[in-house]
Amino acid sequence: GENVEQHPSTLSVQEGDSAVIKCTYSDSASNYFPWYKQELGKRPQLIIDIRSNVGEKKDQRIAVTLNKTAKHFSLHITETQPEDSAVYFCAASMPSGGYNKLIFGAGTRLAVHP
Amino acid sequence: DVKVTQSSRYLVKRTGEKVFLECVQDMDHENMFWYRQDPGLGLRLIYFSYDVKMKEKGDIPEGYSVSREKKERFSLILESASTNQTSMYLCASSLYRIPGGTEAFFGQGTRLTVV
Repeated sequence: GENVEQHPSTLSVQEGDSAVIKCTYSDSASNYFPWYKQELGKRPQLIIDIRSNVGEKKDQRIAVTLNKTAKHFSLHITETQPEDSAVYFCAASMPSGGYNKLIFGAGTRLAVHP
Repeated sequence: DVKVTQSSRYLVKRTGEKVFLECVQDMDHENMFWYRQDPGLGLRLIYFSYDVKMKEKGDIPEGYSVSREKKERFSLILESASTNQTSMYLCASSLYRIPGGTEAFFGQGTRLTVV
């Protein structure tokens, strides 16, 4: 079935290091790939997204890359800070019968240690 | 600012009860979603709706139904609550018109405990 796999499930880094989270998706028709950050006790919020006609997108310290051939996309956070600690979810929008459903990965818990 | 509001932050219900979770959005979004969030399993799609009175099953629809009588409101119904439905429930909405999907805005979540 349609699914999104996300790795790793937990990630621990030192402040200032980079963090990379990887996702793969099953439906080759997927064409929208957002990333959400969920802080403890809060709702998920979009931090960056990418569409299938773009290979890379950057916003300050965060970047997303997409490889459509391999059906995988990655989140890169540089110069990590303690406030980056959160759970990160990748997602893929999968077309189905003229509409889109948003399927999420299982999440990565990122801990940034001072 | 888009607002997606869920009617309850916390709910405690008894096994066998019929439970209604309500979600309202104020941005005229066409898509609305219900997800269930469990540790280690991420956000799993229960049902979604792309128009009034339209609904589609997600990955885990068993034991749930939905209702969308008005564009701004999407309700999740547990016909007969069971303990394995104890979870965090998240509602979301997004625009439909842009092909491929757009940002989804989430409600604050309802933590449901079934005893």
